[in-house]
Amino acid sequence: QKEVEQDPGPLSVPEGAIVSLNCTYSNSAFQYFMWYRQYSRKGPELLMYTYSSGNKEDGRFTAQVDKSSKYISLFIRDSQPSDSATYLCAMSEAGRRALTFGSGTRLQVQP
Amino acid sequence: SAVISQKPSRDICQRGTSLTIQCQVDSQVTMMFWYRQQPGQSLTLIATANQGSEATYESGFVIDKFPISRPNLTFSTLTVSNMSPEDSSIYLCSVDGPTSYNEQFFGPGTRLTVL
Repeated sequence: QKEVEQDPGPLSVPEGAIVSLNCTYSNSAFQYFMWYRQYSRKGPELLMYTYSSGNKEDGRFTAQVDKSSKYISLFIRDSQPSDSATYLCAMSEAGRRALTFGSGTRLQVQP
Repeated sequence: SAVISQKPSRDICQRGTSLTIQCQVDSQVTMMFWYRQQPGQSLTLIATANQGSEATYESGFVIDKFPISRPNLTFSTLTVSNMSPEDSSIYLCSVDGPTSYNEQFFGPGTRLTVL
């Protein structure tokens, strides 16, 4: 079993839809949680980062962490065709900078 | 966030040869990391490189295969040695962010194909 599980998709939604992307994990020591967006043939771009449980909002993006369920989510409101990319979750333990990534979910927003 | 560049952006190499990948950052950073992203898979950390000390390798990666240099606070190299087709992958460097939230910023990657 992988430490971080993520549905590979593809997830196809119409423009303007609310998108929900999720990851589950098994390591209870993870404390820091990140979401990256990766366009084809590009490096990952940091979207959001959070610590421990709770919600964080930044524009159209909301990150949620539920440590009791070992489950994190990224919501994208009013999705745009330019949001079409692969979304990677990543997490790390306190005191350790190494990131463990999910395998990524490919999102397609149809105009 | 820091601006990170990598050279080369892509290369095609013959098995048995070695390739050195360069990573340059536009500001001084404490920690630099090297990841591998195999086709259709996620990123896997190869090693962490701190200036002035030996790189720290993750399980499954060894210095003889992936020697790393970190001569200063803005530059690092990763060498992929004695390559085989299984080394075909995207190699990414990253740097630690300015906060205490363990975020990292990534370069554009080097796409390596080994024939």
